[in-house]
Amino acid sequence: AQKVTQAQTEISVVEKEDVTLDCVYETRDTTYYLFWYKQPPSGELVFLIRRNSFDEQNEISGRYSWNFQKSTSSFNFTITASQVVDSAVYFCALSARGSQGNLIFGKGTKLSVKP
Amino acid sequence: SQTIHQWPATLVQPVGSPLSLECTVEGTSNPNLYWYRQAAGRGLQLLFYSVGIGQISSEVPQNLSASRPQDRQFILSSKKLLLSDSGFYLCACPSAGGYTFGSGTRLTVV
Repeated sequence: AQKVTQAQTEISVVEKEDVTLDCVYETRDTTYYLFWYKQPPSGELVFLIRRNSFDEQNEISGRYSWNFQKSTSSFNFTITASQVVDSAVYFCALSARGSQGNLIFGKGTKLSVKP
Repeated sequence: SQTIHQWPATLVQPVGSPLSLECTVEGTSNPNLYWYRQAAGRGLQLLFYSVGIGQISSEVPQNLSASRPQDRQFILSSKKLLLSDSGFYLCACPSAGGYTFGSGTRLTVV
């Protein structure tokens, strides 16, 4: 079965703090893709990153970084020096053959960044 | 790049009334299309997906149905809405690097 777990339901930080959003996934497939999406209060889903299962290199994009560890089935997302505009719900998702390529989402983590 | 159009943006419907939400895609042909629902305070649940015209797969038994009458059109319907059908409905299709989502329809059943 394919499953994505985001154990943190809500996180609240003060501006400029670093924050890490956890994501743990389950799949029996050896080829799969992992995603992070941002959902601001307006509701639309904004694509942040896709990582395939053969690429364990960590990625950095500005204040965002992702740590993919197959050994622990985790794909964590860190925001450095958080800003109020980072306030949103963040979803981790998995796509694999076992899900017919469909996106399986975690329940999301609501991040509130206070000034 | 793909663009997904969804309408209406918001909808308030009484219990027992019918529903029709439309999704159209631009910038691609014969895409896989998906309907997701996000209930209040919950994650996104895949409802239906379609790999082509007239081909619909249902992921969750429910009060809803989907149809794909044209290559770039995906419709979500219900004959009689329930209170539990309230939520945020998103249409999506695969795109380079990730999935593209529409702006969603917020449905409130009263």
